[in-house]
Amino acid sequence: AQTVTQSQPEMSVQEAETVTLSCTYDTSESDYYLFWYKQPPSRQMILVIRQEAYKQQNATENRFSVNFQKAAKSFSLKISDSQLGDAAMYFCAYEDSGAGSYQLTFGKGTKLSVIP
Amino acid sequence: EPEVTQTPSHQVTQMGQEVILRCVPISNHLYFYWYRQILGQKVEFLVSFYNNEISEKSEIFDDQFSVERPDGSNFTLKIRSTKLEDSAMYFCASQYGNYNEQFFGPGTRLTVL
Repeated sequence: AQTVTQSQPEMSVQEAETVTLSCTYDTSESDYYLFWYKQPPSRQMILVIRQEAYKQQNATENRFSVNFQKAAKSFSLKISDSQLGDAAMYFCAYEDSGAGSYQLTFGKGTKLSVIP
Repeated sequence: EPEVTQTPSHQVTQMGQEVILRCVPISNHLYFYWYRQILGQKVEFLVSFYNNEISEKSEIFDDQFSVERPDGSNFTLKIRSTKLEDSAMYFCASQYGNYNEQFFGPGTRLTVL
C-alpha cells in the first residue's frame, strides 16, 4: 500500500518570507499524481497544487511551487511571499490508481503558522 | 463555479442511532468518494463509488457503513448504528475522471454522544 509521510507536524514562517513543507511517499507505481491540499480552520479541503509523475517539470501556481524528486520519492511545497491567509494545515496526497478507483492517500499534515 | 455541497453541516446523534450524511457532487462528475477525518488526525479514505457501485473500500468501511446514489444527483453515506469512535468530519468528494482534481465538499461534522 502507498504511504505518504509528512515529517514536520508544525512549521512557522514570517509574513513575506518563504517556507518549504516536506513530503515523501512510497509507491511501486510509475505513473501517479501528487497533490497538496490546504485545510484552513473552516476545515474545507482546498487544492493548492498538483504534480503529474510523468512530467519532469515542477508545477507552479502563483506563489506556490513544488520540488518533485521522483527518484527520491519526494514532493515538497514551497510557499513564497507568505501571507497571513496561508496559515492552515497542509496535506500532501497521493492518488492511487487502483482498478476503477482513484482514492487519495494523505499524509498526517503540517500545521503552518504565519507570523505577522 | 460548480461545487460539492454537503448536508447537514453538523449532526449530533446518540450512540446506536442511524445517520445519513448527504452530498451533492458536481453534476458531470463520474467518481465519488467519502473520506473521514477524526479531529487532529489525517484524512482517511472510506469508499469510492463509480458506475453505481462501490469500486473500492477501506478497512474502516465495515458492514455498518453503506453508500448509495438514489436519484442520480445525491450521494449518501449511511452509518447504521453509530459508535463513539465514528465522531469525525466526513468529507464527500467528486471527480470527473482519473487523475483529475477531486473536489471536496465542506464536510459534515458528526458527533456521537
